[in-house]
Amino acid sequence: QKEVEQNSGPLSVPEGAIASLNCTYSDRGSQSFFWYRQYSGKSPELIMSIYSNGDKEDGRFTAQLNKASQYVSLLIRDSQPSDSATYLCAVPAYSSASKIIFGSGTRLSIRP
Amino acid sequence: GAGVSQSPSNKVTEKGKDVELRCDPISGHTALYWYRQSLGQGLEFLIYFQGNSAPDKSGLPSDRFSAERTGGSVSTLTIQRTQQEDSAVYLCASSLDGLAGVAAYNEQFFGPGTRLTVL
Repeated sequence: QKEVEQNSGPLSVPEGAIASLNCTYSDRGSQSFFWYRQYSGKSPELIMSIYSNGDKEDGRFTAQLNKASQYVSLLIRDSQPSDSATYLCAVPAYSSASKIIFGSGTRLSIRP
Repeated sequence: GAGVSQSPSNKVTEKGKDVELRCDPISGHTALYWYRQSLGQGLEFLIYFQGNSAPDKSGLPSDRFSAERTGGSVSTLTIQRTQQEDSAVYLCASSLDGLAGVAAYNEQFFGPGTRLTVL
């Protein structure tokens, strides 16, 4: 089992709708979780961090963490064409909290 | 302050040549990471530095790859005798302090990358 798993997509969502991106992880001891956005040809950009169970909202983005079920999700409300990108979930490795394991990413496409 | 910078932004080299890629982390960040991303693929971890030491070199694909960090700041990734399969974007990231046990200190910030093409 991969340490961090994401659906590769592409996930196609109409403009203005809610995009829901999911990520599961294997290490029950993980304490911090990160979402990165990567536009084509660009480097990853940190958009959300979440450290405790529940929801964390930042503008149109909401990260949801459920440690019991070992999943973390990212919701994007009022999706815009500019949200079209690959979204990477990242979780510190059990063996070394300073080493981050990245998922392979979900490609999101917002259709007008 | 300034973000992570990398140079060169693009490098084209011939098979068998050596290349050096440079990374300047965010000032004050003690942890530095190198990743590789091939076209359409995910991030491949290469090496991690805490200060000037490299506790984790597990991702280096072969002994042709080496990296060093001096003064707890700038890092250089060297690829000797380059091969065509080395062609990729090489990304550097830094974080405040990977060992502090503070979750937010693990947030990594990426540089723009170096696109390496081996002909």
